[in-house]
Amino acid sequence: DGGITQSPKYLFRKEGQNVTLSCEQNLNHDAMYWYRQDPGQGLRLIYYSQIVNDFQKGDIAEGYSVSREKKESFPLTVTSAQKNPTAFYLCASMQGNYGYTFGSGTRLTVV
Amino acid sequence: QKEVEQDPGPLSVPEGAIVSLNCTYSNSAFQYFMWYRQYSRKGPELLMYTYSSGNKEDGRFTAQVDKSSKYISLFIRDSQPSDSATYLCAMTLTGANSKLTFGKGITLSVRP
Repeated sequence: DGGITQSPKYLFRKEGQNVTLSCEQNLNHDAMYWYRQDPGQGLRLIYYSQIVNDFQKGDIAEGYSVSREKKESFPLTVTSAQKNPTAFYLCASMQGNYGYTFGSGTRLTVV
Repeated sequence: QKEVEQDPGPLSVPEGAIVSLNCTYSNSAFQYFMWYRQYSRKGPELLMYTYSSGNKEDGRFTAQVDKSSKYISLFIRDSQPSDSATYLCAMTLTGANSKLTFGKGITLSVRP
């Protein structure tokens, strides 16, 4: 079954800690995306990558970092520089113009 | 002006009602138009996909695109409680892997 797997489903971060959210796809899609979703604010683009070993900042990249070493994988690190990281994080992939396929999301909470 | 504006909602309707969800946009270069449905605490799933102007029907769902007015709509006939979800419109330019621009989403509740 092709799709996108995000893990973990729930993640708790202590103040000053870096955490990494995993995103893996077996759809053979070239492009991958990370979004943050907050109530009332819709989806906001953090980073995206259209090809292996290349990625671009989205609208709210500060405090986040990514890597794209393999086509299948696009992990997102939430660094201690991100002051308000509590949110629902969504990973997506796309091939051509046929719309995104989304993962099931990771809910990150600061404790 | 935001690139994509979506009615904020929330919207509550009785079961069996016809629902109309709408988005307007400002960039006339958008060519591909989508509607996503997102259940609570889940990732969005692609519901309808259309290219350029026109209508597309899939069961109880109809997507309509009017490029001259920069307006897209999603109609849900005979709405069911299982249709209760957040609906997001999205659109993109031509060019492979162009990123999507989303509306903020509207939460629909269908009352039994």
